[in-house]
Amino acid sequence: EVQLVQSGAEVRKPGESLRISCQTSGYTFTTYWIGWVRHMPGKGLEWMGLVHAGFSATKYNPSFEGQVTISADESISTAYLQWRRLKASDTAIYYCARHDNSDQSFDFWGQGTLVTVTS
Amino acid sequence: DVVVTQSPLSLPVTLGQPASISCRCDESLLHSDGNTYLSWFQQRPGQSPRRLIYRVSNRDSGVPDRFSGSGSGTDFTLKISRVEAEDAGVYYCMQGAHWPWTFGQGTKVEIK
Repeated sequence: EVQLVQSGAEVRKPGESLRISCQTSGYTFTTYWIGWVRHMPGKGLEWMGLVHAGFSATKYNPSFEGQVTISADESISTAYLQWRRLKASDTAIYYCARHDNSDQSFDFWGQGTLVTVTS
Repeated sequence: DVVVTQSPLSLPVTLGQPASISCRCDESLLHSDGNTYLSWFQQRPGQSPRRLIYRVSNRDSGVPDRFSGSGSGTDFTLKISRVEAEDAGVYYCMQGAHWPWTFGQGTKVEIK
């Protein structure tokens, strides 16, 4: 059974750093891209970027490039989303999802991580 | 970026009645490989999104057959033949044909 399990909710102050994780199981981690999707309060979904551990590659939505860093650790089948300096506007739920390359879509999703940035 | 426009944004429906959501893109989603990459997702309250439909009309495993997808080029539709209580939530379409991929604004389906 494919599963994506994300780390728990986080509360940070503006300017602080943060890394959240997405641990996968039930399939070969190195054969799929993992994507991150932002869901801001009261807004729609926004695709942020992807990482592929097998290719050692990342792709970013230009709107998020330079704002976040996406990475993966093949040894523990885990993907990460990282901020160096958080802003209040980063407050959102962040989802990881497995990218199905044959369908150009996201077939399995994590449960979401709520990130709250407040002074 | 490809603009994806859903309508309506709010859809009150009566149990047992049909429902239809439109998704329009400002560029054709027919990819050079011959496939059309349009997906539909359901997000129930408090849950993460769940894919219902991929490549316009293919239902994911476990998705009830009352859900169907259709369309081509720039115009697509998600239909629910007979709405059930568990169908309440927000529905998103997503285009995967053009980089960066983009989602529609979401359509909130509420049961009257």
